[in-house]
Amino acid sequence: EAGVAQSPRYKIIEKRQSVAFWCNPISGHATLYWYQQILGQGPKLLIQFQNNGVVDDSQLPKDRFSAERLKGVDSTLKIQPAKLEDSAVYLCASSLRDPTEAFFGQGTRLTVV
Amino acid sequence: AQSVAQPEDQVNVAEGNPLTVKCTYSVSGNPYLFWYVQYPNRGLQFLLKYITGDNLVKGSYGFEAEFNKSQTSFHLKKPSALVSDSALYFCAVRDLNDYKLSFGAGTTVTVRA
Repeated sequence: EAGVAQSPRYKIIEKRQSVAFWCNPISGHATLYWYQQILGQGPKLLIQFQNNGVVDDSQLPKDRFSAERLKGVDSTLKIQPAKLEDSAVYLCASSLRDPTEAFFGQGTRLTVV
Repeated sequence: AQSVAQPEDQVNVAEGNPLTVKCTYSVSGNPYLFWYVQYPNRGLQFLLKYITGDNLVKGSYGFEAEFNKSQTSFHLKKPSALVSDSALYFCAVRDLNDYKLSFGAGTTVTVRA
């Protein structure tokens, strides 16, 4: 089966610019996650969707980050405006409803200069 | 709140020797536990999981892990390490009553020839 698709793979932007990432989960997976992985650290959950509803966004910096999952399938994560500390790999993952493992995309490496 | 601790930043072993990567967790209810591996410039790959049943679970690439409820641990093991096992390993936990998947900070494994 096809895996989790993410685009773009790499992105370089200047601080204060905006950027968007796209994720298409595995077909049939109801749960979708966005993680931020800063170099040398474990993935940190930003937001979790169950179908098109938000389950957890407690660690999402809502003043600059937003995410949506229209129609309960693919999802976009946006940063506006970006800061230098947003430089990280943004990972998208999906899983069946319960209680299975999450499958990860290859991630988008964001560099803010 | 749930959390995962990986007490060792790095583990170094010689090829052919046993490999152990430690993980302890904290959840309010029953845990679902996972191990993932990450190779350079790649997304996270699922290795194995504990949901219920036998405390010893077997996964991909000859890895296994033992769930110990009294010690709240889920250590990853491999009887005979290979150079190709050199990678970054992450432990993750979900609470039975929560969809949120939380990761540890990761352990870098280096297997020398």
